[in-house]
Amino acid sequence: KQEVTQIPAALSVPEGENLVLNCSFTDSAIYNLQWFRQDPGKGLTSLLLIQSSQREQTSGRLNASLDKSSGRSTLYIAASQPGDSATYLCAVSPYNNAGNMLTFGGGTRLMVKP
Amino acid sequence: DGGITQSPKYLFRKEGQNVTLSCEQNLNHDAMYWYRQDPGQGLRLIYYSQIVNDFQKGDIAEGYSVSREKKESFPLTVTSAQKNPTAFYLCASNFQTGANVLTFGAGSRLTVL
Repeated sequence: KQEVTQIPAALSVPEGENLVLNCSFTDSAIYNLQWFRQDPGKGLTSLLLIQSSQREQTSGRLNASLDKSSGRSTLYIAASQPGDSATYLCAVSPYNNAGNMLTFGGGTRLMVKP
Repeated sequence: DGGITQSPKYLFRKEGQNVTLSCEQNLNHDAMYWYRQDPGQGLRLIYYSQIVNDFQKGDIAEGYSVSREKKESFPLTVTSAQKNPTAFYLCASNFQTGANVLTFGAGSRLTVL
């Protein structure tokens, strides 16, 4: 059974720092991996989706990489801002189910201090 | 604007009562999903539906029921058989082809008194 782990569970940084969030998964047979942002008491917003054949995706100050063979993904946030404070979750979909059965990590709660 | 609407945002239930959470989408998405989120944990799949009048159990379906009579609607009933229903419930949807990016609703928080 696929398991997804996110480390650290919580992170506090001063404004302006570059930071890396980690996501690891146990079964490398994935269809894609997604990174989401969740604000307190809200739903999830999709940030980046990486197909299994891709190595990275970029959107603005965000860059997500995927190393499928080692079961790892990282989300890099450049020049962090207080508005980046939120919980970040990664999720993988299995290769044989084309994205229907996502497995989520527990999330990393990020606080960026002014 | 297109999106997913969940209601109510907050719901309180007495033990032994059934409650129904509403989820409506106007994105013309084929598939709809219900997830449960407990504090500090990831999302767990309760039920999903890929087409009208059809749905499948997820990892934690016991004590829950759903229906999919219309493409736009996927209500979730939390029954009295669910032993620990207090949680944050999230509805999502996507197309069945393409990148499969999920769109989420704002969530419903259920508290059992």
